[in-house]
Amino acid sequence: AQTVTQSQPEMSVQEAETVTLSCTYDTSESDYYLFWYKQPPSRQMILVIRQEAYKQQNATENRFSVNFQKAAKSFSLKISDSQLGDAAMYFCAYRTPNQAGTALIFGKGTTLSVSS
Amino acid sequence: DAGVTQSPTHLIKTRGQQVTLRCSPKSGHDTVSWYQQALGQGPQFIFQYYEEEERQRGNFPDRFSGHQFPNYSSELNVNALLLGDSALYLCASSFGPNEKLFFGSGTQLSVL
Repeated sequence: AQTVTQSQPEMSVQEAETVTLSCTYDTSESDYYLFWYKQPPSRQMILVIRQEAYKQQNATENRFSVNFQKAAKSFSLKISDSQLGDAAMYFCAYRTPNQAGTALIFGKGTTLSVSS
Repeated sequence: DAGVTQSPTHLIKTRGQQVTLRCSPKSGHDTVSWYQQALGQGPQFIFQYYEEEERQRGNFPDRFSGHQFPNYSSELNVNALLLGDSALYLCASSFGPNEKLFFGSGTQLSVL
């Protein structure tokens, strides 16, 4: 069974600095998707970034980028120029391109605090 | 354009009771998925509905059941509530079973 592990329960960063959140996963599949979701106090899960396993190029979305290491099964999120609004719970998630549905497997999350 | 809406936002029940949670998908979406998020944990997949049928199910007992209506809205029913069912229940919608998910803000269920 696929699993997703986030080994950092809490992280902190100062405004304008850079922080990296770690995620490892276990799968025997060769084709899959990886995601980072943000969950602010409003509780709504917001997609931050998505990576297709078949793409070697790391995904980027403005200040957010990933370091995808397929052989090591590692998928870290880098947040540059951190802002107060980045404070939230961050979840790493995995999904296979299964025609039957979109079941995501989530890690336990990392709480990110941002100080001014 | 309204996003995914869930009702109620909070709910308190006692052990053994039954509960129904509701979800209206984002406009244009036809697929609804439900997730359970226990305190301090990541969400866990319960099931997904597409074309009014349950298409995929996670590792949850039969006490958890659902329904999708012709207007694509969905209900999650939980029978014989246990203390361990206390959690945030998240609904997510998409256009098709394999497309990007949009989440609602959830229903916080407390079982006493």
